[in-house]
Amino acid sequence: DGGITQSPKYLFRKEGQNVTLSCEQNLNHDAMYWYRQDPGQGLRLIYYSQIVNDFQKGDIAEGYSVSREKKESFPLTVTSAQKNPTAFYLCASIRQAHLAFGYTFGSGTRLTVV
Amino acid sequence: RKEVEQDPGPFNVPEGATVAFNCTYSNSASQSFFWYRQDCRKEPKLLMSVYSSGNEDGRFTAQLNRASQYISLLIRDSKLSDSATYLCVVNGESNTGKLIFGQGTTLQVKP
Repeated sequence: DGGITQSPKYLFRKEGQNVTLSCEQNLNHDAMYWYRQDPGQGLRLIYYSQIVNDFQKGDIAEGYSVSREKKESFPLTVTSAQKNPTAFYLCASIRQAHLAFGYTFGSGTRLTVV
Repeated sequence: RKEVEQDPGPFNVPEGATVAFNCTYSNSASQSFFWYRQDCRKEPKLLMSVYSSGNEDGRFTAQLNRASQYISLLIRDSKLSDSATYLCVVNGESNTGKLIFGQGTTLQVKP
């Protein structure tokens, strides 16, 4: 079955450490997105990519980096510059011409700073 | 003003009740509207798209009022399994595929 796979499900980061969250999709979707969700809050956009080798900052990009070397993959690195990284991270994708169908989400990665 | 605003609730209702959620959005140029459902500690899942003429899916009815920039979701005959957070979602800048999420409205259906 097609879908989006995020890994790991849970991740613990020490202070000053960079960590990378994986997001892979086999839906042949063009665009991919990273959102962050804090308790009791809506989703906030970190980065997005509409085509391979191109990506744009979202509303809260500081302290994060991404790459899009393959259509299927859009990893997110949470750097040590992100001062409050504890959150639920969600990856989503969409076929560019089908926004009317909404996003497909991965099951998320819960990141905790220890 | 937030781009998408919802009453966070919680809404506590008995089984069988009818409950309505409202949402307002700030960008009059928005074209795509959705309701997503999010269970505790899970990813959001698309509940339904919202069309200009209004649309119904079983016990769920969505309405759009473009003039007032207002979206609603009506749930009839509430079930225990309807307990979740409901997210109002509107498209962002055109041609980016960006979606703007409200903070969600929490529904708790009690026996």
